[in-house]
Amino acid sequence: GAGVSQSPRYKVAKRGQDVALRCDPISGHVSLFWYQQALGQGPEFLTYFQNEAQLDKSGLPSDRFFAERPEGSVSTLKIQRTQQEDSAVYLCASSLEAVMNTEAFFGQGTRLTVV
Amino acid sequence: EDQVTQSPEALRLQEGESSSLNCSYTVSGLRGLFWYRQDPGKGPEFLFTLYSAGEEKEKERLKATLTKKESFLHITAPKPEDSATYLCAVSDSGYALNFGKGTSLLVTP
Repeated sequence: GAGVSQSPRYKVAKRGQDVALRCDPISGHVSLFWYQQALGQGPEFLTYFQNEAQLDKSGLPSDRFFAERPEGSVSTLKIQRTQQEDSAVYLCASSLEAVMNTEAFFGQGTRLTVV
Repeated sequence: EDQVTQSPEALRLQEGESSSLNCSYTVSGLRGLFWYRQDPGKGPEFLFTLYSAGEEKEKERLKATLTKKESFLHITAPKPEDSATYLCAVSDSGYALNFGKGTSLLVTP
């Protein structure tokens, strides 16, 4: 497809369960970002990849959160031992270049509900 | 620490009633101020990037302006399809965006 694709669109997890969220960026885009958006809030930065290199993971809330982009295209955000406070929409974005002076395209997000 | 404050939190306009949304920011070194539109259940959609005070950009009924402390998104003669949440974000890293909470705009016929 032409846009950023995220799957699944919705995920319900029991507290303590591990989850994996997938992001397919636009083909050829160098930069990939993950953001977390709580209800009624703006997105919050989690992590940034330039190709396969994770250059910034300062926004990851805890060591239960892990992201990878092994071949510089598809990325997976993994959350171990989910907690209720992890409930949010997880947004992936990609941009053509390495810096943000080009437009970043966001996917529709994965809504995670931890029960 | 970067801070972005948007006001008002919510705004209701009649169709054709022009108004402005405000984004106040503090950042150590501005590498860009960004406006996005977000519809319910969708990811943010890019509108504008502004880099320096005095810069202005326009797109259809929207015009974004920037000063050293704030940005305005002016909406001229809005239509119901302009209803959405408008997000402002700043970047000092050149890649990560620090978003405000957004302004929820409702335009009624």
